[in-house]
Amino acid sequence: DTAVSQTPKYLVTQMGNDKSIKCEQNLGHDTMYWYKQDSKKFLKIMFSYNNKELIINETVPNRFSPKSPDKAHLNLHINSLELGDSAVYFCASSQGGGSRADYEQYFGPGTRLTVT
Amino acid sequence: AQKVTQAQTEISVVEKEDVTLDCVYETRDTTYYLFWYKQPPSGELVFLIRRNSFDEQNEISGRYSWNFQKSTSSFNFTITASQVVDSAVYFCALNDYKLSFGAGTTVTVRA
Repeated sequence: DTAVSQTPKYLVTQMGNDKSIKCEQNLGHDTMYWYKQDSKKFLKIMFSYNNKELIINETVPNRFSPKSPDKAHLNLHINSLELGDSAVYFCASSQGGGSRADYEQYFGPGTRLTVT
Repeated sequence: AQKVTQAQTEISVVEKEDVTLDCVYETRDTTYYLFWYKQPPSGELVFLIRRNSFDEQNEISGRYSWNFQKSTSSFNFTITASQVVDSAVYFCALNDYKLSFGAGTTVTVRA
C-alpha cells in the first residue's frame, strides 16, 4: 500500500489554465504539506495543514489554494497557470500536531507540472 | 531565521570509496530537529534520519553514519563503501515551525 499518493504524476497544461493535484495519505498522520521543487532541486514549503486547519502559508501567490476535505487528504488547486509554475510538487505528511515540524515527513512521489 | 548550508554541490566517487556530505545549520532555537533525506534519480524523497538538538550521539545504520556536533552546528553524513545505488541527491533539513532544506548534494557513484 502506498503511504502517500499523489495524482497525477505528470501534468502538462497551457498558460492560463486551472489545474488540481490530489494527495492522500494512509498513515493516519495529522499534518500534511505541499512543497515545490524547482529545476535546481531546491525544495520549499508552500502550505501545511494540521487536522484540516491551515498552519503554514508561505509566500505563495494566491492563485494557489490548498483544500483539505479531511485529515487524510490535501489537494492543491492552481488558477491561471504561469510558466514559472513549472516544477515538481510534493505532498508530504507527518505525525504530531501543532505548528512545529518535529517529526519526519513522508513524501508522495511528486507531480511534475509543465506549463507551456 | 534559519538556514541550512550544504556547501558541496556535487561529489563523484568510485564504488567502495567513502563519501562524507557536509551540513551546517543556523538557528536561534535551543530545541530543534535535523533530518537527512535522499532523492534518487527516480525522484521520490526518502527519509533517512531524524536527530534532536539534545542528542549528540553519533548514529550508524548499515553503511550510513551521521556525526552531529552542536558546537560547530554541523550534522554530517557519511556513506561507507559507497555503491552505485547510493547515487542520489541528499538533502539536509532543519525544523522549527517548518522544515527548511539545504540546496542538496548530488552524489554520483561510478562503478
